[in-house]
Amino acid sequence: EVQLVESGGGLVKPGGSLRLSCAASGFTFSTYNMYWVRQAPGKGLEWVSSISSGSDYIFYADSVKGRFTISRDNAKNSLYLQMNSLRAEDTALYYCTRGIHNYWYFDLWGRGTLVTVSS
Amino acid sequence: QSALTQPASVSGSPGQSITISCTGTSSDVIHYNYVSWYQQHPSKAPKLLIHDVSERPSGVSNRFSGSKSGNTASLTISGLQAEDEAHYYCSSRTSNSAWVFGGGTKLTVL
Repeated sequence: EVQLVESGGGLVKPGGSLRLSCAASGFTFSTYNMYWVRQAPGKGLEWVSSISSGSDYIFYADSVKGRFTISRDNAKNSLYLQMNSLRAEDTALYYCTRGIHNYWYFDLWGRGTLVTVSS
Repeated sequence: QSALTQPASVSGSPGQSITISCTGTSSDVIHYNYVSWYQQHPSKAPKLLIHDVSERPSGVSNRFSGSKSGNTASLTISGLQAEDEAHYYCSSRTSNSAWVFGGGTKLTVL
């Protein structure tokens, strides 16, 4: 089955760190661009970060630049998001999404993992 | 990043057609034909409906269609059904390789 499964969310204090993971299955992970998109409770979608299939191109939203790091391990079919210096406004459901190389949309989404930043 | 503006809510009766607009606030966003639309039911992950302004992935009903005029993209849903009640988001890649989403539109089927 083609799917993305996120993990690693939880409750963390402001200033803390968390590492999210996304396990891909059912498709050739190494040929797809991957993304993190988040959704604060009751709010809309917000793009967080992108990484190309070979990790050559990496981009971040201004809101997370310098604090978050996206990475991937194509041998393990996995995507990661290292989140440091977390703030209350980072509280959200974090979705792992997939994009076809040279096409600019998200064609597959995971169910998300919830990150709560609170003291 | 730039923002995309959508109406907060729209409504329609079963069988009717509705259109949701998505307006770019800076020219570089909607200039590119990279607009996509997503449907999100409560407590569910978003689902791709339309990509590249008007392309429909296989498996998506032909009741969903997309278009663009100037800096405004639109999603039209024809033959409204109760199951169409959801939130809808537009998105676009920007010229500096970021992505922006609209604020989302809640569709109510009366």
